[in-house]
Amino acid sequence: EVQLVESGGGLVQPGGSLRLSCAASGFTFSSYEMNWVRQAPGKGLEWVSYISSTSSTIYYADSVKGRFTISRDNAKNSLYLQMNSLRAEDTAVYYCARPILTGYLHFDYWGQGTLVTVSS
Amino acid sequence: EIVMTQSPATLSVSPGERATLSCRASQSVSANLAWYHQKPGQAPRLLIYGASTRATGIPARFSGSGSGTEFTLTISSLQSEDFAVYYCQQYNNWPITFGQGTRLEIK
Repeated sequence: EVQLVESGGGLVQPGGSLRLSCAASGFTFSSYEMNWVRQAPGKGLEWVSYISSTSSTIYYADSVKGRFTISRDNAKNSLYLQMNSLRAEDTAVYYCARPILTGYLHFDYWGQGTLVTVSS
Repeated sequence: EIVMTQSPATLSVSPGERATLSCRASQSVSANLAWYHQKPGQAPRLLIYGASTRATGIPARFSGSGSGTEFTLTISSLQSEDFAVYYCQQYNNWPITFGQGTRLEIK
C-alpha cells in the first residue's frame, strides 16, 4: 500500500525556517517524481514544488522561489522541503503528492498533510 | 502562468440529481487536465485525468469532458458522499495550477 507521511510542521515566527519531511513507503520511491502542494486555511490548492526522480529537474512556484528548497533522499525514501524566510502567507497545510505513474503530473497519492503556521 | 477559473463557486443540487461543474483555462492545456474532490479534513482525491479518464476506483457516475480551454465534470446521480469541494488542475505547462474550487452542497 502506498503511504506518504508528512512531518515537521509547526508554529514559526515570520522570517524563520522550517524543514518538512515526507516519508514514502509501499512503492519504489526512487522511480517517481514528487511534489509539494499546499492549502491555506479555508482556501484552495496551490502547487509549490516538483522534483524529478533523480533530482535533476526541480521547479518552484514563483511565490516560494528563492526561499524554499525541495530535495529528496532516495536511499531513505524521503522527500524534503526546506522553507526559509517564512511569511504569514506561507501558513498552510503542506501535502506531499505522487503522480499516478512516473512521468505524469496529476496526483493519485497524497499524504495527510502537515500544518505550518507562520505567526508572531 | 495559466489561470484556471471554475464555475460556479457554489452549486446546490439534490441527491440523485445531476451536477455539472465547469473549468476554464486562460490558454489551451490540451487534454492535460485533472479533477479532484476534497472533503473537510481530508487530502484531495483524484477523480479524472487526461480530461476524461476516470482514476482507479472512481465510480462511473463521474465523467469528464473537454479539451483546450473548456472542461466539464459531470456527476450523473449525486450520492451523499459526493458533496465536497471540487478542483480542476492543469498540468500542461509549468507552473502547475489549480482552479479556485467549486463547492457542491446539498440542496
